[in-house]
Amino acid sequence: DQQVKQNSPSLSVQEGRISILNCDYTNSMFDYFLWYKKYPAEGPTFLISISSIKDKNEDGRFTVFLNKSAKHLSLHIVPSQPGDSAVYFCAASSRGGSNTGKLIFGQGTTLQVKP
Amino acid sequence: GAGVSQSPSNKVTEKGKDVELRCDPISGHTALYWYRQSLGQGLEFLIYFQGNSAPDKSGLPSDRFSAERTGGSVSTLTIQRTQQEDSAVYLCASSLGGAGGYTFGSGTRLTVV
Repeated sequence: DQQVKQNSPSLSVQEGRISILNCDYTNSMFDYFLWYKKYPAEGPTFLISISSIKDKNEDGRFTVFLNKSAKHLSLHIVPSQPGDSAVYFCAASSRGGSNTGKLIFGQGTTLQVKP
Repeated sequence: GAGVSQSPSNKVTEKGKDVELRCDPISGHTALYWYRQSLGQGLEFLIYFQGNSAPDKSGLPSDRFSAERTGGSVSTLTIQRTQQEDSAVYLCASSLGGAGGYTFGSGTRLTVV
């Protein structure tokens, strides 16, 4: 039972254009969502997060949008740069009143940004 | 240390042998997680330690897998009687909570031959 799904295994965009990575979830108890970036032979690194009380969070070139009714979130990268080429993982957690909780990850989307 | 440290970085073992994987979390982080990533797959949750609470072991795939966290710091993941399907990258993460994410180590690549 895949609670967090990234249906696009790969995405290729031109440098300078927008990259949009999508993620869907099924568990309505999820209240905290994160995006991670992973290079080969390295651990995932945290990019950006969003709480379920918000529908948008922005950090520089990265913006995460959350649509709770559709159980869908997306990561926008504008403008895309070749250094953004990596695997991107969506993750979700049911934190409730605590500030930690296990993360459930999607399968990942490999982004390639072409110069 | 400055980050999450995992050892060894690579481990090749024969089928049927036991292995121990070590994780040193960031000092002061109360939460520690183990995940694994099999070839071409996403990150699969294994086990979660939070302070002195009983660990959440709901992700352990079989009773051959166990983990300890001693003194609220270092953790060891043990796989007994390894099988070829155990081959994966095993990732450890720690967290202090809050709005930030979880800090991952670089992982241990386990190959069972």
